[in-house]
Parts: sequence; C-alpha cells; structure tokens
Amino acid sequence: KNQVEQSPQSLIILEGKNCTLQCNYTVSPFSNLRWYKQDTGRGPVSLTIMTFSENTKSNGRYTATLDADTKQSSLHITASQLSDSASYICVVSVYGGSQGNLIFGKGTKLSVKP
Amino acid sequence: NAGVTQTPKFRILKIGQSMTLQCAQDMNHNYMYWYRQDPGMGLKLIYYSVGAGITDKGEVPNGYNVSRSTTEDFPLRLELAAPSQTSVYFCASSPSPNQGEGPDTQYFGPGTRLTVL
Repeated sequence: KNQVEQSPQSLIILEGKNCTLQCNYTVSPFSNLRWYKQDTGRGPVSLTIMTFSENTKSNGRYTATLDADTKQSSLHITASQLSDSASYICVVSVYGGSQGNLIFGKGTKLSVKP
Repeated sequence: NAGVTQTPKFRILKIGQSMTLQCAQDMNHNYMYWYRQDPGMGLKLIYYSVGAGITDKGEVPNGYNVSRSTTEDFPLRLELAAPSQTSVYFCASSPSPNQGEGPDTQYFGPGTRLTVL
C-alpha cells in the first residue's frame, strides 16, 4: 500500500535553532516528492519539489534531501524564526498515475518559541 | 493574480442540508482538485479535474459532486450533509505538463471550514 509517514508528529524548538523533519514513503513507482508548509488556518504552500534524480534542493533556509534508495526524505530548517511555526507536509507522487495519485503525509507540527 | 479563491470561509449546516463550495483560479491552470483535511490527518482527495468538462473521483468522493464548465471554476456540491462531512475543504490548481511549467506544483486556496450539526 502506498503510504507516507512523517516524524515527529510535533516538535518545539527555540528561535534560532535548527531542526530536521523526516519523511519515509513506500510509494511505488515514485515520481516526485514535495514538501509543503501550512500555516494555521491557511492552505499549504509549496516549498520544494524533488524528482528521482535530485538529492538536495534548497529554498532559502529550507533544505530538502531525498534518498530514493532508502525512500527517505528530510526537511532541514536553518536558524528557525517564529514565522516557521506551521505544519510541514510531505507529499509523494506516483509515477504514471493520474493527477489523483498524490499521497499526503499527516504532517509535522513545528512550534518555534522565542 | 488572486491565485485560488474559495468561498465561503466558514459555514455551519444542519444535517440533510445541501450547499456548494465555490472555487476559482485565475492562473489558467488545467488541473483542479478538491481535498478535505480532518484534524490530525493528511489531505484526502475528493475529486479532481484535468480540464473543462472532465472530472474524476478521488479517494473519498461519496456524498459529493463536482462540475467543471470553465477552466476557472470548480465548485463542490454537498448533498444531504452529514456530520462526517465536518472538515476543512481545500481547493487547489496546478498546470498540466503541456502548460510548460515543469513538475506540477499545486496552488491551494485558503480553505472552507464546514461544520455539520
């Protein structure tokens, strides 16, 4: 069964600290992996998209990595800010699937405290 | 660009009532989607459309209907509302591969919070 598991479920860090969020997937065949940021009460916003051949992708202080062999991805946030408080969602796309074949993780809720 | 807009922002329905959630996008995207997000759960696809006049079921279509008469609009209809349909509903759009924007990124609306009592 195609699944996306994220860990931890929630995380609290102090402002200025770094953190890493994990995403493990069993989706096959794999097309691409996306990380979204969802602020409370808002829709998700795309941070990065990585295809099979990409190992690392950055977007400002956000760096995503992908290991297609172990089917793991991580999202590293550097020098966290209060505005980073949000849920981070990992989404994996099935290769050759219809546009409906996106598998969503449940998200990691990050709280950044001053 | 307004992006993806949704109305209403909030709605309370009684069991058995019907309503339509509106969604519009001004990016000329071919693909549009409806998701629901329950507390602590991942987004689940209700319906999607790859172009005007073409719709298809997602993972959880029961109790919902959609139509796509134009590229811009993709309304979601709830018939005979049930408490199980209490959720936050998100509409999204994305370009199709032939629209030349690379791997499709979905653009989400702000959501509609629906409560069925």
